[in-house]
Amino acid sequence: QQQVKQSPQSLIVQKGGISIINCAYENTAFDYFPWYQQFPGKGPALLIAIRPDVSEKKEGRFTISFNKSAKQFSLHIMDSQPGDSATYFCAASNDGSGDKLTFGTGTRLAVRP
Amino acid sequence: EADIYQTPRYLVIGTGKKITLECSQTMGHDKMYWYQQDPGMELHLIHYSYGVNSTEKGDLSSESTVSRIRTEHFPLTLESARPSHTSQYLCASSDPGAGANVLTFGAGSRLTVL
Repeated sequence: QQQVKQSPQSLIVQKGGISIINCAYENTAFDYFPWYQQFPGKGPALLIAIRPDVSEKKEGRFTISFNKSAKQFSLHIMDSQPGDSATYFCAASNDGSGDKLTFGTGTRLAVRP
Repeated sequence: EADIYQTPRYLVIGTGKKITLECSQTMGHDKMYWYQQDPGMELHLIHYSYGVNSTEKGDLSSESTVSRIRTEHFPLTLESARPSHTSQYLCASSDPGAGANVLTFGAGSRLTVL
């Protein structure tokens, strides 16, 4: 049973455009929502994370929007660059410390020059 | 530079062979994890450890076993490999920063069982 549903599976964006990746969860006990970025041949790396007590968190060009009532959260990449081309995973945890993450299926982003 | 190392990066092996995937970290992290990642699929937690002599099974059932004799070392073993074990295995450790553990992943070990 997939507890974190991620879409789209793949995304192509022009340089300078906005990339949007969406995730939905079912477990209302989740209390920590990170996004991980994975380049080919590398392990995933933490990009940005949010807790449900805020509706938005921004770090540079990356923003997480969180809708607790809808049980949805999304990643927005502003001014997308070719260097942002990677696979992005949303994740969730319900143990308070961010351990034992449940991951989405990933979105492969390609940013065209 | 602190990092987490996995060997081998790629392994092709026949059915029935015993394999050990190595994972080492230089950051002194107590918490370590093994995730299994199939192409186009999410990562599934198969094992984790909160310190020396502590190991637990994750959410996804796995026939593999792990050990944690030293803080920096968390190897994964398959006693008798089968084609169904073909996958990528990612090791991670965590640092309790900013109120939540931040996972640092290795580059992965891609296992193919013929």
